[in-house]
Order: sequence, then C-alpha cells, then structure tokens
Amino acid sequence: GAGVSQSPRYKVTKRGQDVALRCDPISGHVSLYWYRQALGQGPEFLTYFNYEAQQDKSGLPNDRFSAERPEGSISTLTIQRTEQRDSAMYRCASSFEPGQLHGSYNEQFFGPGTRLTVL
Amino acid sequence: GQQLNQSPQSMFIQEGEDVSMNCTSSSIFNTWLWYKQDPGEGPVLLIALYKAGELTSNGRLTAQFGITRKDSFLNISASIPSDVGIYFCAGQNSGYSTLTFGKGTMLLVSP
Repeated sequence: GAGVSQSPRYKVTKRGQDVALRCDPISGHVSLYWYRQALGQGPEFLTYFNYEAQQDKSGLPNDRFSAERPEGSISTLTIQRTEQRDSAMYRCASSFEPGQLHGSYNEQFFGPGTRLTVL
Repeated sequence: GQQLNQSPQSMFIQEGEDVSMNCTSSSIFNTWLWYKQDPGEGPVLLIALYKAGELTSNGRLTAQFGITRKDSFLNISASIPSDVGIYFCAGQNSGYSTLTFGKGTMLLVSP
C-alpha cells in the first residue's frame, strides 16, 4: 500500500538507551507530523516539518527529544537517554499540503505507530 | 499539552442503536474534525467541519460544528459491529497545521 509507514512497529528498550523511530510518509506529501499517544489518550502533537524544515517543535517534551527530515521525505524521531515515562505509542502523519486554508482541511494521514516500551 | 474534553469516555450499545458523543474546548477552533481509530491502526478521518453551525453527514454519521466554535458532536445512526473503535475529535486553527485531540470515546457494539 501507499500509506504512511513506521518502523519499528514495536520497540522495547532499557532505561538510558537511545532510540530512533522512523517514519516514511506518503510519497509526495510535503508535511510530516509526529504525535505521541499515551494509553487512553488522544494523540498529542510533538513537532512537524514542511519539506526538510522543522516548522514547530513546541510539543517536544524536553531536549532529549529531537527530530529530523534531512531530505524532505523520511523522518527520524530520536529519544536520548530514554526514561520509563517515554513509554507510549509514537505516531507519524503526513499531508499533501502544509498548513490549512480557510474552508478546507489538508488531511493528515496517520501511520500505524511505533509502540515504545522503556523498561 | 492541551486536550479537548470528550464524552462519554466509553459506550456499550446494541447493534441498531443510535449513539451520540461530543467534544468541548475552552478555546475556539476554526475547524473541527472527527477521526476513528481501529485496533492496531492509526486514526482515520471521518468528517471535517469548517463553519460554525455547520451540520455535515457522511453515510450514517452526522456531525455538527457548534455555534460558539468551542464544541462539536458526532452522531452514528443504526450502529453496526464494524463501528467498534475509538472516536477522536480534533480541533485546528487557520494558519496552523497542528491538531489538538480529545481523549477519545471507545465504542463497543454488541451484535
């Protein structure tokens, strides 16, 4: 299929280790978003890119979290020195156009997520 | 981070029943969205609402954008087993790409 893909689907790591989560957006989609979804909660915004430029990283919890999208396609979310509270589903989404015009919505298509468990 | 207030938290109904869920916010949004999340999958867009007071239907789904722009509801008529899942509302403002989600309503439908 041509949907958003994420890898790995599941990641178990020990506290203190670094992890890298990958997102492959729908081909041709300009914008890429990262969300975190805790159990029983809705997705919570982390950061997003238009092409390779990081537009907003206000949702990143602290400086252990970083993201990049160097060639404007695949993106990597990196968490350094993981802590147990980082355990969650990390979701990626992409949209064809950036932003939102009045009277329309540039639909964000979500990937299946990466379930991160920090022991 | 901010999350919208969504209710009820969960619903367990019989097939054929109608259901209603709603979402409220302390701040205004220019666009309201309703997503459905199936087990093991990411959220999928059901309905998008752009104007205060707007009522939009998509098959058995009907959603309304509240007149104050601080709330929205979703109705599902004649529920079927495949309606099972978690329903999320989300708000978005013009000029911003990010979505603010509710905590979700889990719907279970008994055949």
